[in-house]
Amino acid sequence: AQTVTQSQPEMSVQEAETVTLSCTYDTSESDYYLFWYKQPPSRQMILVIRQEAYKQQNATENRFSVNFQKAAKSFSLKISDSQLGDAAMYFCAYRGRYNNNDMRFGAGTRLTVKP
Amino acid sequence: DTAVSQTPKYLVTQMGNDKSIKCEQNLGHDTMYWYKQDSKKFLKIMFSYNNKELIINETVPNRFSPKSPDKAHLNLHINSLELGDSAVYFCASSQGRLAGYEQYFGPGTRLTVT
Repeated sequence: AQTVTQSQPEMSVQEAETVTLSCTYDTSESDYYLFWYKQPPSRQMILVIRQEAYKQQNATENRFSVNFQKAAKSFSLKISDSQLGDAAMYFCAYRGRYNNNDMRFGAGTRLTVKP
Repeated sequence: DTAVSQTPKYLVTQMGNDKSIKCEQNLGHDTMYWYKQDSKKFLKIMFSYNNKELIINETVPNRFSPKSPDKAHLNLHINSLELGDSAVYFCASSQGRLAGYEQYFGPGTRLTVT
């Protein structure tokens, strides 16, 4: 079974600075997708960024970028120029391309942004 | 307009009761899901439903049953509620079952069983 590990239960960052959230995963599949979801206090789950495993280029979405290391099975999220609104739980997720795949989530990292 | 909506947002009930949570999506999506988020924030798939095909996570007790009256709705029925069922339940939808499709989540329903 695929597992997703987020080793940082909590992180904090100063407003306007950069923070990196870690995620590793375990899989025997070669083709899959990785996601970062944000869950603010409102509880709403929001997709932040998505990476396709067969693409070597790291995905970016404005201030959010990933460092995808397929061989190391690592998928970290970098948030640049952190804003107060970035404060939330961040979940890393994995989904295999085939075989009635389910989305599997990590345990989450709570990010605090200090003004 | 809300893309994925759930009702109610909060549900408090006693052990042994039967309850339902409704989910509706107005995105025209073909696939819908139910997730459970426990008190430690761990999020786990319960069901996925696509074109009348139901895929059930094997860890879900059979007291939980999804019902889909049409493509836009996937309701969750829970029989004989137990204390351990207390959690936040999220409905989600996606364009299809392909892994790359974004899943759009509802606002969640916080279920408290006393």
